[in-house]
Amino acid sequence: GAGVSQSPRYKVAKRGQDVALRCDPISGHVSLFWYQQALGQGPEFLTYFQNEAQLDKSGLPSDRFFAERPEGSVSTLKIQRTQQEDSAVYLCASSLALAGATISYEQYFGPGTRLTVT
Amino acid sequence: KNEVEQSPQNLTAQEGEFITINCSYSVGISALHWLQQHPGGGIVSLFMLSSGKKKHGRLIATINIQEKHSSLHITASHPRDSAVYICAVWQAAGNKLTFGGGTRVLVKP
Repeated sequence: GAGVSQSPRYKVAKRGQDVALRCDPISGHVSLFWYQQALGQGPEFLTYFQNEAQLDKSGLPSDRFFAERPEGSVSTLKIQRTQQEDSAVYLCASSLALAGATISYEQYFGPGTRLTVT
Repeated sequence: KNEVEQSPQNLTAQEGEFITINCSYSVGISALHWLQQHPGGGIVSLFMLSSGKKKHGRLIATINIQEKHSSLHITASHPRDSAVYICAVWQAAGNKLTFGGGTRVLVKP
């Protein structure tokens, strides 16, 4: 079946531009996660949704970063006034919730969006 | 100090060699993932462990909860195993994965 998809796969932005990155999770997956992966490093948590509720946004590096999932399926990560340090691969992952709406540990990752800020 | 440490950072092996990647963590966890990331590609989950040992094909993952340590072994390595292998943990009190820095593996023919 279809996995997690992300678009665009590559994005080049001039410093100061706003960008929007899209994630389509696996159908029926309740939990959705965004991660940031700098070159040569492991991913780092940005934010987490359970359905449409953003339950944890502790990893968002600044108030220029904003994420939403208004209908509990597709999610958008928006970065305002991009800076060079925002250049990274942005990964989205989704997972099923266990019974009782607790978190399922098995995550399925999308291919990522490589953002380059020039 | 990072909560999840991997070693080595880089590893080069000849085809057919046995490869071991280590992961140590300093927090209480509910589960540990081993992930594979090919250049330009997304991340694939290889294993999710909370105890003991799992095997899939030529890959074996073990975890020792008391020692807070996990290993990923690749037997009879092949050039297509060349990738970055990432260890990630679900902290017991958390709702997110914490990742190690990855081990870049290159298997030469």
